[in-house]
Amino acid sequence: IVLTQSPATLSLSPGERATLSCRASQSVTTSLAWYQQKPGQAPRLLIFDAFTRATGIPARFSGSGSGTDFTLTISSLEPEDFALYYCQQHGYWPLTFGGGTKVEIK
Amino acid sequence: QVQLVESGGGVVQPGKSLRLSCAASGFTFNSHGMHWVRQAPGKGLEWLAIISYDGSNKYYGDSAKGRFTISRDNFENTLYLQMNSLRTEDTAVYYCAKGGGGSLVVPTFFDYWGQGNLVTVSS
Repeated sequence: IVLTQSPATLSLSPGERATLSCRASQSVTTSLAWYQQKPGQAPRLLIFDAFTRATGIPARFSGSGSGTDFTLTISSLEPEDFALYYCQQHGYWPLTFGGGTKVEIK
Repeated sequence: QVQLVESGGGVVQPGKSLRLSCAASGFTFNSHGMHWVRQAPGKGLEWLAIISYDGSNKYYGDSAKGRFTISRDNFENTLYLQMNSLRTEDTAVYYCAKGGGGSLVVPTFFDYWGQGNLVTVSS
């Protein structure tokens, strides 16, 4: 299953709302996760099952969608949120990731 | 807290072998499926393999089939990745990750990751 993330880069200011998209080549129902990765660090799980926040993840991160279209929303960007974000489908083998969206400071 | 610490990476010549290790702590290692994921320099993430809680079941992605072997030692709380016939395109940071789907070999997300271990395949 191919996951396509858009946009490739999102340029925003702190306090703004970020909306990241992930589209699957076929339905994954709600088996979709989101990760955040900062330079030189491992990915960190944010969201699984499309909308369930992982342990310790702030409420400003929310996930939505089902089937083939998914969205990660960051309601108000904090300085530490500027990073790379990946989606991953966890419904079918092989597990696959999207190409990533970079959220950068405008 | 959950900790995953990889080791065993480095520079290796094409065609050679290398074994990565991942020492786990902070959770009941023998109750969880475990994974390897890699990331080539400046590229995205690629899932490689999963092993069930007891090591009896394994599943591989296309890039790992036939050359890589995942294994585990539940007495030592350690996960392994044996990599043979290495190619330049295997150059990447290799992560071990704890599966969020429980003990079995089922498609799942990754709830904890190691810090990563760089493998460079070069002559």
